[in-house]
Amino acid sequence: GQNIDQPTEMTATEGAIVQINCTYQTSGFNGLFWYQQHAGEAPTFLSYNVLDGLEEKGRFSSFLSRSKGYSYLLLKELQMKDSASYLCAVKGDMRFGAGTRLTVKP
Amino acid sequence: DTEVTQTPKHLVMGMTNKKSLKCEQHMGHRAMYWYKQKAKKPPELMFVYSYEKLSINESVPSRFSPECPNSSLLNLHLHALQPEDSALYLCASSQVRDREQVGDTGELFFGEGSRLTVL
Repeated sequence: GQNIDQPTEMTATEGAIVQINCTYQTSGFNGLFWYQQHAGEAPTFLSYNVLDGLEEKGRFSSFLSRSKGYSYLLLKELQMKDSASYLCAVKGDMRFGAGTRLTVKP
Repeated sequence: DTEVTQTPKHLVMGMTNKKSLKCEQHMGHRAMYWYKQKAKKPPELMFVYSYEKLSINESVPSRFSPECPNSSLLNLHLHALQPEDSALYLCASSQVRDREQVGDTGELFFGEGSRLTVL
């Protein structure tokens, strides 16, 4: 089984940087996903990490430390449209953490 | 084609009705999923099919009955539902690990969901 923890809510200012953390405990690890979900829409894939380190993709980056069971999603140059829920999930049976609802304010 | 198609988009049903939600994908994925999502909550895994066989049932009440007639289709049959079953039902698909190509992540591809209201 697995257990995933994320902060439930975060607020940040337009143009700023925000880091959303995810810790996990799992009996087997094959990779970690981050998804974005806007209200009323389906989740969309943001990133995948299977090796330790930082994966950069435009304004979004994701970091993984397998030894610590820890990942974060880094969002730079925040825009109002980044207001959404951010979900992490361990690859395998694809259960999501509680999700972090990010609000970006002007 | 990287789409997962769900029908209907909206469904209103009474507690005595029998209805079905349908999901279709043509990406050659051999894993398909049903999730239930209530407002301001994350998607909650219900069922997983792998190679058309049920591999995970998250102790879902029997009034929800999944079916995977072939590798492209996934159904969720609904019968005698309760008002608290009203939610967004999301279907997703992914490649299974032993069929992943180089560069595949095994990510989930989601449909737009079926919004169910039980009266």
